[in-house]
Amino acid sequence: GAGVSQTPSNKVTEKGKYVELRCDPISGHTALYWYRQSLGQGPEFLIYFQGTGAADDSGLPNDRFFAVRPEGSVSTLKIQRTERGDSAVYLCASSLTASGAGGTQYFGPGTRLLVL
Amino acid sequence: AQSVSQHNHHVILSEAASLELGCNYSYGGTVNLFWYVQYPGQHLQLLLKYFSGDPLVKGIKGFEAEFIKSKFSFNLRKPSVQWSDTAEYFCAVNAFKDSNYQLIWGAGTKLIIKP
Repeated sequence: GAGVSQTPSNKVTEKGKYVELRCDPISGHTALYWYRQSLGQGPEFLIYFQGTGAADDSGLPNDRFFAVRPEGSVSTLKIQRTERGDSAVYLCASSLTASGAGGTQYFGPGTRLLVL
Repeated sequence: AQSVSQHNHHVILSEAASLELGCNYSYGGTVNLFWYVQYPGQHLQLLLKYFSGDPLVKGIKGFEAEFIKSKFSFNLRKPSVQWSDTAEYFCAVNAFKDSNYQLIWGAGTKLIIKP
């Protein structure tokens, strides 16, 4: 597609529920990233995929967070037993490669998650 | 640990004023440097980037940034700002960390341009 797309754009859920956030990267981009952004702060790295595998998941805050990219394109971020502190904008980005000139990350519009 | 510092959290300017937003990073290796902008209600967009070559890079909408290696800085500049430049600006550095390249972000600078 023309850019990175994310669905849903907004998600309201209750504490303890399970949510899935979807990211569709730019076609041909092998690297995909998930970030979380809270109000007034820069993006916080969560996980990075190179192809189908998670190359770096050091940013996932705990085992309630999990992400997959089974076919090396679309990715889903899954949050179990949501907590109010999970409320944030979840950003997805993709890049042609992970480094060098192809490493420029292009961002989607984000999913605004609100946990009540 | 690698980090990126943006000196001003909030900047307020009048239209036509000159702009300089500071960005310093702490990393001794090869870096790729970026400025992203987030307009109100919109997603992060790439403003400009530096990989190699001329340390003065030009981006969209009249913005430019200068990489000064000796100062570990990548300050963003614009000679004459417009009301439409009101946005949040993020500096980011792509550095090799924990066996992977990782984009390390500054906290952002909120720029408000008074008409």
